[in-house]
Amino acid sequence: TQLLEQSPQFLSIQEGENLTVYCNSSSVFSSLQWYRQEPGEGPVLLVTVVTGGEVKKLKRLTFQFGDARKDSSLHITAAQPGDTGLYLCAGSPGGGTSYGKLTFGQGTILTVHP
Amino acid sequence: NAGVMQNPRHLVRRRGQEARLRCSPMKGHSHVYWYRQLPEEGLKFMVYLQKENIIDESGMPKERFSAEFPKEGPSILRIQQVVRGDSAAYFCASSPRGAVEQYFGPGTRLTVT
Repeated sequence: TQLLEQSPQFLSIQEGENLTVYCNSSSVFSSLQWYRQEPGEGPVLLVTVVTGGEVKKLKRLTFQFGDARKDSSLHITAAQPGDTGLYLCAGSPGGGTSYGKLTFGQGTILTVHP
Repeated sequence: NAGVMQNPRHLVRRRGQEARLRCSPMKGHSHVYWYRQLPEEGLKFMVYLQKENIIDESGMPKERFSAEFPKEGPSILRIQQVVRGDSAAYFCASSPRGAVEQYFGPGTRLTVT
């Protein structure tokens, strides 16, 4: 069974600070996705990374996939209150029909105070 | 382009009743996935379907739960004889054929009383 460990579980920071969320596993994933979820809503896809070492940027968000495709990080620069939410990483094992079976991390609850 | 649609958004059932959750994928998406989010737990995969075909149901409880994605109409997740432990948020996601990205609906919150 593939597992994804996300850390930290909770993060409370002031507006303007930088932060990093980590997603780690002992298993290799063919791709990894990051989502953001608001209370009472479904997860919204932020990015997909597929290549080991890949870095993708989305405005103030930077996503990195580890060289061995076992871990990923999400870095937010100059956080804003609008960044508040639950951040989830999800890995796809790939191969055959199993690529549709995403394994999710437990999530990081981010609170950015004005 | 409408997103993934789920209904109802909230469903209350008494123990022993049946719950039917519906999911309409995004236009052009032929793959549907169901996930369950229990209180204080993360999202857990339940089942992966294509039209008229179950691809992977390894996350489905062996009893009382079933899913279908007919040729016409929405995908249905059916829970028979619900128990309190079935109370959770159930999310549907869809993707185009061959894509790894999954797009989620707003979820159905099931409460069993």
